[in-house]
Parts: sequence; structure tokens; C-alpha cells
Amino acid sequence: ETGVTQTPRHLVMGMTNKKSLKCEQHLGHNAMYWYKQSAKKPLELMFVYSLEERVENNSVPSRFSPECPNSSHLFLHLHTLQPEDSALYLCASSQASWGTDTQYFGPGTRLTVL
Amino acid sequence: AQSVAQPEDQVNVAEGNPLTVKCTYSVSGNPYLFWYVQYPNRGLQFLLKYITGDNLVKGSYGFEAEFNKSQTSFHLKKPSALVSDSALYFCATYNFNKFYFGSGTKLNVKP
Repeated sequence: ETGVTQTPRHLVMGMTNKKSLKCEQHLGHNAMYWYKQSAKKPLELMFVYSLEERVENNSVPSRFSPECPNSSHLFLHLHTLQPEDSALYLCASSQASWGTDTQYFGPGTRLTVL
Repeated sequence: AQSVAQPEDQVNVAEGNPLTVKCTYSVSGNPYLFWYVQYPNRGLQFLLKYITGDNLVKGSYGFEAEFNKSQTSFHLKKPSALVSDSALYFCATYNFNKFYFGSGTKLNVKP
């Protein structure tokens, strides 16, 4: 296994719900990432954290709110989502946020918005 | 615009035959190029990367890729495919502090 865990693995929520996705890395890395994977579309980088500070935010709607309380944990808080937000959300980590560093991915959370 | 392209949605190959999964890139400056594989219900797993140096990069599970600057390509290859290689393959590049992934190529290896 890659050492990156995500919970829950599956989530079904209504558009008015509030939920959170959790990611934990056991690799001692300093950078963590959230990606959105939709069918037949390129993987979309949403957020990058390096040493618990957000260093990248790729024009993600405010209904997605990340939180990185420490270098091992990353959350994605969800509220008032839309059906088009249904996708696989992947968390990843790397030693640093430099592009040469290999990213290690978690198994993902399959999100369905009704 | 910086990007990578995977021109084939799907590649079919018989077990034991060589396989190639294509990737072309469009970036400014020197590219950092990666290949990842995704098995069903799993996250992406790193296969190999090109940063600098030898154009032929060897990676996990017997895969290799060749960086071709003149053709702006970074095709993934394996001399003899296994049924267990069936998965979704992603090419990616890092350029000017941003990551760009391709849309993925589904590899089907038939016995």
C-alpha cells in the first residue's frame, strides 16, 4: 500500500448536506494534494498544501473548503454541492511540493451528489 | 497552454506482445514527465518519471518510457504485456509550479 488512506471510501450526499473527506498520510511527507477525477477527463488538481500552508488553489468553487491541521492530515469540507461534483476525489502526498517529487495517492473517495 | 495529451482512450494488446501507450506534451522549457497507473477502485500508483539525463527511463513492473524531445513525446512501453497490466494509465507533467494530467488510456491485455 502507498501509505495514504482516505475515508470514507464512498459517500452519497444531498445538495444541502455538509460532509467532510479525510486523508491521512503515514509517509512523513510535507506536501499534500486534493484531486478530482471525473470519467474521461484529465485529473484536476484542486489544492496543494506544503508544510500545512496552502500553496495552490486552482480556481475551485468555494463549496469545497480544504483544511490541513498538520502535515499528516488533510480534509476537504463539502457544502451545498451540485450533482456535477460527483466524482472520485483523490488525496496524494509527496516529500515536498516540488514537481520532481513522486506523489503517492490514496484509494480515493467516490462521491455521489443527489 | 501547458498540457499533456493521450491520443488513445483505449489500447488492446494480446498477452506476451509488446505494448505502447502514447503521450505527447506541450510545455515551455524542460518538462518533468511522469507515468502513473490506476487499478480498479484504487488510487494512482507511480510508475516512472523523467527529470533529466538518459532519455530512456526504466520504472516499476518492467515498464519503461522514452523521452523524445524532437517529437515532444513520452510513450510508455513494455516488451511483453501481462493480463495483470490491464488498468488505466495516466501521463502527467509538471511545469511552472503546476501539474497537468492526461485524460488516461485504458489498457486491455487479453489472454
